Amino acid sequence: AQSVTQPDIHITVSEGASLELRCNYSYGATPYLFWYVQSPGQGLQLLLKYFSGDTLVQGIKGFEAEFKRSQSSFNLRKPSVHWSDAAEYFCAVAQTGTASKLTFGTGTRLQVTL
Amino acid sequence: EAGVTQSPTHLIKTRGQQATLRCSPISGHTSVYWYQQALGLGLQFLLWYDEGEERNRGNFPPRFSGRQFPNYSSELNVNALELEDSALYLCASSFRTAGADQPQHFGDGTRLSIL
Repeated sequence: AQSVTQPDIHITVSEGASLELRCNYSYGATPYLFWYVQSPGQGLQLLLKYFSGDTLVQGIKGFEAEFKRSQSSFNLRKPSVHWSDAAEYFCAVAQTGTASKLTFGTGTRLQVTL
Repeated sequence: EAGVTQSPTHLIKTRGQQATLRCSPISGHTSVYWYQQALGLGLQFLLWYDEGEERNRGNFPPRFSGRQFPNYSSELNVNALELEDSALYLCASSFRTAGADQPQHFGDGTRLSIL
């Protein structure tokens, strides 16, 4: 069964600092991988996705993520964090061939200090 | 383009009652997914509907059910409500997926509170 681990429950960074959120997955084949962001009281917004090809994917709001098969990781990065990036971030995996039944990590709550 | 819309925003029920949550997908999307986001349990897959049929189901009891209408909107029904059903219920939609690059897009959810 597929699974996702986000080892950091809570991260605090200063505005303007760089950010890396960790995500490790467990799946037998090459999965579909996603990062979503959830602001308080709202649903999930898709930041970026990986299906195949270039292992460095660019998303919205200046985020990027790198797929590393050897490490079963799909870490999210941003070179300079803005206060509006404070939210909860979820990594998700889906079976190759269909994007149904997303399996989510437990989320990382990002706090940004001014 | 209108996003995924869910209603109601908030729903308060008591134990043993039944709740109905509604979801309208993005225009052109035929698949609708339901997820439960309960405190301490994270996001759990509930149900997937496509073309009016239930295609996949998560590890939830039968009192969680739903349907998809010809216009692709969907209802989630929860019978015999229990306190632990209190959660944010998220609906997502996508084009029918078969290896295609079609991610799920989420609504803002329905907050169900059981008293």
